[in-house]
Amino acid sequence: AQSVTQPDIHITVSEGASLELRCNYSYGATPYLFWYVQSPGQGLQLLLKYFSGDTLVQGIKGFEAEFKRSQSSFNLRKPSVHWSDAAEYFCAVGLISGGYQKVTFGIGTKLQVIP
Amino acid sequence: NAGVTQTPKFQVLKTGQSMTLQCAQDMNHEYMSWYRQDPGMGLRLIHYSVGAGITDQGEVPNGYNVSRSTTEDFPLRLLSAAPSQTSVYFCASSYELAGRETQYFGPGTRLLVL
Repeated sequence: AQSVTQPDIHITVSEGASLELRCNYSYGATPYLFWYVQSPGQGLQLLLKYFSGDTLVQGIKGFEAEFKRSQSSFNLRKPSVHWSDAAEYFCAVGLISGGYQKVTFGIGTKLQVIP
Repeated sequence: NAGVTQTPKFQVLKTGQSMTLQCAQDMNHEYMSWYRQDPGMGLRLIHYSVGAGITDQGEVPNGYNVSRSTTEDFPLRLLSAAPSQTSVYFCASSYELAGRETQYFGPGTRLLVL
């Protein structure tokens, strides 16, 4: 069965500092990979996704993620964090099963931004 | 477009009561899903549908029923509420692009079962 690991439950960074959120997946083939963001009291919003091709993916709000097949990782990065980036971030893996896609989410990483 | 809408936003139930969480989307998406979100557990798939009249179980289906009579609506029914069903419930819909999906999420329903 596919699984997603986000090893950092909570991360604190200073505003303006760089950010990297880790995500590892377990699956035999290359799955579809997603990063979502959830602001407090809100639903999830897609930041970016990887299906194939260029392993460096650009998303919204200045985020990017790099797929590394050898490490089974899909880490999310941002060069300079803004206070409005404080939220919870979810990595997700999509698997085609029986012709349909099922998505498995990680447990999330809560990002705190300090002045 | 309103996107994905969910009602109610909040609900308090007593153990044993039944209720239906409503979900609707106006994007003509074929795929719709229900997730529950619990602290430290991320989102877990309850049920999903790949089109009107077609539903299937996800990771945690027990205690929940779904039906999909129209493309727009995908209600989630709690048959006999239990405290373990206290959670935040999210409905999502998605289009299919060559077998790839981007999910659009509703704002969620917070459910407390006493």
